Amino acid sequence: KQEVTQIPAALSVPEGENLVLNCSFTDSAIYNLQWFRQDPGKGLTSLLLIQSSQREQTSGRLNASLDKSSGRSTLYIAASQPGDSATYLCAVWVGANSKLTFGKGITLSVRP
Amino acid sequence: DAGVIQSPRHEVTEMGQEVTLRCKPISGHNSLFWYRQTMMRGLELLIYFNNNVPIDDSGMPEDRFSAKMPNASFSTLKIQPSEPRDSAVYFCASSFRASGTSTDTQYFGPGTRLTVL
Repeated sequence: KQEVTQIPAALSVPEGENLVLNCSFTDSAIYNLQWFRQDPGKGLTSLLLIQSSQREQTSGRLNASLDKSSGRSTLYIAASQPGDSATYLCAVWVGANSKLTFGKGITLSVRP
Repeated sequence: DAGVIQSPRHEVTEMGQEVTLRCKPISGHNSLFWYRQTMMRGLELLIYFNNNVPIDDSGMPEDRFSAKMPNASFSTLKIQPSEPRDSAVYFCASSFRASGTSTDTQYFGPGTRLTVL
């Protein structure tokens, strides 16, 4: 059974800092990996999707990397801003039956 | 596009009552997903549909839960009878496709916060 782990559960950083959020998964036979953002009381918004054949994806100040062999992904946020404060969830797409398995997320707080 | 629409946004009910959650997916999307989110267990897939047909309901916790998709623009998740441990946020999501090689992004609704007293 695929398990997705995100540690730590919460992170607080000062504005302007570059930071890395980690995600690990137990079964490397994934089709893709996605990073989502969730604001309090809201649904999830997809940030980046990395296909299994890719190593990384970039969108603005965000860069996500994927190392399938080691079962790891990182989300890099450059020059963090208070508006980046949210919960970031990692999810992997597993199996032919198309199921996203989510980590529990990392709650990020960027202090002004 | 209005995105995925869920109703109600909040539901408070008493144990034993029937609860019906509703979802309208994004027009043109062929796949619809129901998730449940709790602090303890995180986000879990309950069931998903392709072209209105249930494909995987292995995440449905027990027979008290049922889901239907009578047409491409509407789905319901029903809990009967409801129990306090069903209290959670229930999300609906849709995507253009859902297949083993799909790269389609899922778009989530705002969720329904259910409280069972």
